[in-house]
Formats: sequence, C-alpha cells, structure tokens
Amino acid sequence: ETGVTQTPRHLVMGMTNKKSLKCEQHLGHNAMYWYKQSAKKPLELMFVYNFKEQTENNSVPSRFSPECPNSSHLFLHLHTLQPEDSALYLCASSLGTSGEAYEQYFGPGTRLTVT
Amino acid sequence: GQNIDQPTEMTATEGAIVQINCTYQTSGFNGLFWYQQHAGEAPTFLSYNVLDGLEEKGRFSSFLSRSKGYSYLLLKELQMKDSASYLCAVKDSNYQLIWGAGTKLIIKP
Repeated sequence: ETGVTQTPRHLVMGMTNKKSLKCEQHLGHNAMYWYKQSAKKPLELMFVYNFKEQTENNSVPSRFSPECPNSSHLFLHLHTLQPEDSALYLCASSLGTSGEAYEQYFGPGTRLTVT
Repeated sequence: GQNIDQPTEMTATEGAIVQINCTYQTSGFNGLFWYQQHAGEAPTFLSYNVLDGLEEKGRFSSFLSRSKGYSYLLLKELQMKDSASYLCAVKDSNYQLIWGAGTKLIIKP
C-alpha cells in the first residue's frame, strides 16, 4: 500500500462505547496529525506528533486520546463521545513540522457517527 | 485571532475559467497552500506559495500577495471532474496550518 491509510472508513458508536481509529503512512514521514472535519467548517487540528512525540494538543477533550507507537502509525482512542463529535476524522502526515513547504498528505478519513 | 476567508460556494461552466479567492489574517506567515477535496475523499495538495506572484501548474495557477493577505486559485479549461471543494490554508509563525472552511465549486455542462 502507498500513501496514508485509515481504518475503519465508517464507524457508528454509542455514547458509552470505546473504539479506536487507526492511521498508517507509507511515505517515510516523521510527522502525523489528527484533524476533525465538520460540514462547512474549517479543518480543526486536534493532535500533532513529530518523531513519535506529541507536539500539539489543541484543547481537545480527554474523551479523545491519541497514541503514536512509531512514526508510521497513529491511533485515536474514543471513549464516551457526544453526538456533536460526529464528523469526518482525517489523519495526515508530512516530512516534518517546521519546514515551510512541508505539505501534508491526507488519508481518506473515518466518518464517525455517535448515536 | 487568526482567520481565513473564502467564498462558501461558486458555480462555473465547463470549459470556462474560475478564480477562487482567499484572504487571511494570521500571526506570521510561512506559506499558503491550496488543497482539493472531492466529496467523501481526502484533501489532496494542489499548490504552495511563499513568495509574491503567480505559480502555474498546468490548468491550475495560484497567486499570492503577502502585503494584501490575499491569494487566489485560478482554474482554466474547467472539466466536470474539477467539481470539488478547494481549501486554502496558511502556515503561521508556529508552522501550524490555519484552514479556511473551503469553497465548494460546482461545474455545470
């Protein structure tokens, strides 16, 4: 496989469930990102990892818990979510974080519905 | 606060030219990106501008004026497959990407 992959593509969960989203990049990048995309709103950056170390946490509620075991894999653990958390969750990677021209490569996203 | 503005929706005709504008107010500037996102798919990188002027890449061109906090994406010879959302994003002084809400472009035959 090439590029950035995400599983599952679709997820429906109840507010008391625990689930995890998985992201894998095959680009040899060092930085990985989680974004939330809601309809007609800008992409919201949630977490940034650079060389497996978390460098950004944009005031994300604790019901979202990221994990980055290595530079190729990123997880988002979900617990006791709210209906307003329903959105498309996008994973992205880039060569680094501080370079000006480091474009981000996105996965196809996980469409999450919280019931 | 930081802000990126772009039109919510635009309509154009197949074969024509369309210009999608983006204005920004950010704390610092380390480049501006345009991405294309088809419905239900991942955003894909289109262009990057860090210096003033026009960058041309096939049917797509992107322009930047740092003094005006302004960019545009120009799409020529529109094709039906160009129907998508176009996202403008600016890297601020912390190298964090600030995103616009996207412009949905509808192409009509």
